[in-house]
Amino acid sequence: AQSVAQPEDQVNVAEGNPLTVKCTYSVSGNPYLFWYVQYPNRGLQFLLKYITGDNLVKGSYGFEAEFNKSQTSFHLKKPSALVSDSALYFCAVRDLGGKLIFGQGTELSVKP
Amino acid sequence: NAGVTQTPKFRVLKTGQSMTLLCAQDMNHEYMYWYRQDPGMGLRLIHYSVGEGTTAKGEVPDGYNVSRLKKQNFLLGLESAAPSQTSVYFCASSYFSGSAETQYFGPGTRLLVL
Repeated sequence: AQSVAQPEDQVNVAEGNPLTVKCTYSVSGNPYLFWYVQYPNRGLQFLLKYITGDNLVKGSYGFEAEFNKSQTSFHLKKPSALVSDSALYFCAVRDLGGKLIFGQGTELSVKP
Repeated sequence: NAGVTQTPKFRVLKTGQSMTLLCAQDMNHEYMYWYRQDPGMGLRLIHYSVGEGTTAKGEVPDGYNVSRLKKQNFLLGLESAAPSQTSVYFCASSYFSGSAETQYFGPGTRLLVL
């Protein structure tokens, strides 16, 4: 069965430092992977996705994600964190029926 | 272009009461979804629809019913609310469920069942 795991409930970073939010996946076949962000009291917003090709995917707001097939990971990264990046981040994988399966979410807190 | 909208934003119910959550999208999307979000559990799919007049069960369908009478609307019903249905409900839509189709989410409905 398809699944994703986000091993960290919370990530804390200082503003200006690089950030990484981790995601690992388990799929049959080629993975289609997504990152979404949820700001307080808002719905989820699409950040980026991996379909095929270049292992480094660039998305919105300066975020990028690195697909690593051997480690079955799709970690979200940003070179320099902003306080406004503080939010809840979800990794998701498309299942065989075309539906999204979400991880449990990682709360990112960026302090000034 | 409003995207995906949800009504109401917040509701308090007593156990046993019924209610309907409305989701509307103006993007002409074929696929629509209802999720619930609970702390530490991410989003779980309740029901979904692949087109007008069709619905299907997701991961956690018990206690909920849905209808898609019009392409732009997707209704989620609770016939007899239970405290376990206290949650934040999100609707989403997409053009189709192809390889990497992006889902667009509404702002959510907070439901408290007492």
